[in-house]
Amino acid sequence: KQEVTQIPAALSVPEGENLVLNCSFTDSAIYNLQWFRQDPGKGLTSLLLIQSSQREQTSGRLNASLDKSSGRSTLYIAASQPGDSATYLCAVRETGGFKTIFGAGTRLFVKA
Amino acid sequence: NAGVTQTPKFRILKIGQSMTLQCAQDMNHNYMYWYRQDPGMGLKLIYYSVGAGITDKGEVPNGYNVSRSTTEDFPLRLELAAPSQTSVYFCASSYSLVSQRNTGELFFGEGSRLTVL
Repeated sequence: KQEVTQIPAALSVPEGENLVLNCSFTDSAIYNLQWFRQDPGKGLTSLLLIQSSQREQTSGRLNASLDKSSGRSTLYIAASQPGDSATYLCAVRETGGFKTIFGAGTRLFVKA
Repeated sequence: NAGVTQTPKFRILKIGQSMTLQCAQDMNHNYMYWYRQDPGMGLKLIYYSVGAGITDKGEVPNGYNVSRSTTEDFPLRLELAAPSQTSVYFCASSYSLVSQRNTGELFFGEGSRLTVL
């Protein structure tokens, strides 16, 4: 059974700092891995999607990497801003493609 | 382009009442999903559907029912509401993975916040 874990559960950093959020999964047979952002009381916004054949994806100040063999993904946020404060969720889509399994998320607070 | 639309956004139910959460998508997606999210937790899959007339249970299906009569709509039914069903419910959709060009990206609605008292 696929399990997705995100560490840390919460993180507080000063503005301008570069930071890394971690995601690990137990079964390397994945179709893709998707990072989402969720603001309090809101829905999920897709940030980056990495296909199983890819190693990384970049969008602006965000970079996501994937290492299937070790069951890990990282989300790197450069020059963090207070507007980056949110919960970041990692989700793994199983090979076969029907189900996507979510981690519990990392709650990020960027202090001005 | 509306994407995934959920109604209602908020609802308060009394124990034992029934209701239906509506979900519609206009992207011609085959796959549709219902998740619930409890405070501080990730999303748990309730039910999913891979096409009209085809549904299957996820991790936490007890107390819920679904139907999929059209490609666009995937309603979630709560028959006898219980306090344990107080949660935020998210509907999501994606293309099927038959085409190799499909990334399998998941698209979400804004959520429906349900309180059972």
